[in-house]
Amino acid sequence: NAGVTQTPKFRVLKTGQSMTLLCAQDMNHEYMYWYRQDPGMGLRLIHYSVGEGTTAKGEVPDGYNVSRLKKQNFLLGLESAAPSQTSVYFCASSYSRGAMNTEAFFGQGTRLTVV
Amino acid sequence: QQQVKQSPQSLIVQKGGISIINCAYENTAFDYFPWYQQFPGKGPALLIAIRPDVSEKKEGRFTISFNKSAKQFSLHIMDSQPGDSATYFCAASINSNSGYALNFGKGTSLLVTP
Repeated sequence: NAGVTQTPKFRVLKTGQSMTLLCAQDMNHEYMYWYRQDPGMGLRLIHYSVGEGTTAKGEVPDGYNVSRLKKQNFLLGLESAAPSQTSVYFCASSYSRGAMNTEAFFGQGTRLTVV
Repeated sequence: QQQVKQSPQSLIVQKGGISIINCAYENTAFDYFPWYQQFPGKGPALLIAIRPDVSEKKEGRFTISFNKSAKQFSLHIMDSQPGDSATYFCAASINSNSGYALNFGKGTSLLVTP
């Protein structure tokens, strides 16, 4: 059981380049999330999705876009990378509202450096 | 702004001692309070969680104490072990149509010395 899988694990981008981070979950979860983790800041929500075809903004959405074309996948895009987007990105998923188990399961993270 | 405030930022405890991490929140709509444990290079993993209808939850050496009136909750790690050395995050969320998006504290780096 893979759980939540993120690709790639590491990436270095030049300022202005674009890239897509892929998150895949095999637990049939309705809800998926993208967080970024910065030293001393905890984890902050970028975007989230409550179902296939739906996305919404979180706390720090600027500079990012997301798509959820399939239930098991949640993509995070950076159109024009900036050094301020250097961070560790975590994807998470959970069951939907009303489920007995509301635990969020996290991937292993993607370490992104923008130079 | 940070909706969940966590302290201390770092903590050093001797093996066998008690580790205590505190969190406070403002939004009374929060109804789920988990603690996550994160080891270097890994994603956070759920350690223990509580809902506001109980004041305490214990799982093994880990206990959450919850004070609804004070809007505070804390994690106690009894008989702390070197293997407990990790970063701990408290969080809070609302059961709503926007999912269970977690509002995290800034984290506590715990070091348990032998």
